[in-house]
Amino acid sequence: LAKTTQPISMDSYEGQEVNITCSHNNIATNDYITWYQQFPSQGPRFIIQGYKTKVTNEVASLFIPADRKSSTLSLPRVSLSDTAVYYCLVGPPSGGSYIPTFGRGTSLIVHP
Amino acid sequence: GAVVSQHPSRVICKSGTSVKIECRSLDFQATTMFWYRQFPKQSLMLMATSNEGSKATYEQGVEKDKFLINHASLTLSTLTVTSAHPEDSSFYICSARGINTEAFFGQGTRLTVV
Repeated sequence: LAKTTQPISMDSYEGQEVNITCSHNNIATNDYITWYQQFPSQGPRFIIQGYKTKVTNEVASLFIPADRKSSTLSLPRVSLSDTAVYYCLVGPPSGGSYIPTFGRGTSLIVHP
Repeated sequence: GAVVSQHPSRVICKSGTSVKIECRSLDFQATTMFWYRQFPKQSLMLMATSNEGSKATYEQGVEKDKFLINHASLTLSTLTVTSAHPEDSSFYICSARGINTEAFFGQGTRLTVV
């Protein structure tokens, strides 16, 4: 399984763009990159998933360079409610024997 | 997206008693379910993986006789914490995955053993 490395914590302010980078040097050819958000006392919530280049949805963008050894979750114009822990996971997109394995995640604190 | 419902959301029990946590996939067939435990300020730690109709596979260090997992149907898995003790107090999270789906997570259960 590809191991991931993220910054332990980040601080930002309301209205700013936040970029959280995840390193996954041993990513396999068929692995996708998935980001989850977790609020205190709640289960992880899917944010975005991608394989290469750029993926964008209504809440975030995911940038993946050509070598796929890292990825960057971009949150545009964060608000206080974006304060949470963000996890980067790497593995097959669905099914099979993949077991979602969580690293330490990045604790994002958004200040007023 | 698919919904995974976990119940109860929080429970307080006396030391020595057993507690059952349910995890249901509401709109898809969960061929595989995962159970995690999360202590304060820490990440999710996988406890066990269960496939429908089969015995669960436990991670090293997780007592299978203490944490009983049943996955008897494609929509329901249960985790029973037997003879609970204060050190079992934690946040328990289930995840369900179908044959061709990603993993979806429940809301979590806060267990407090007093």
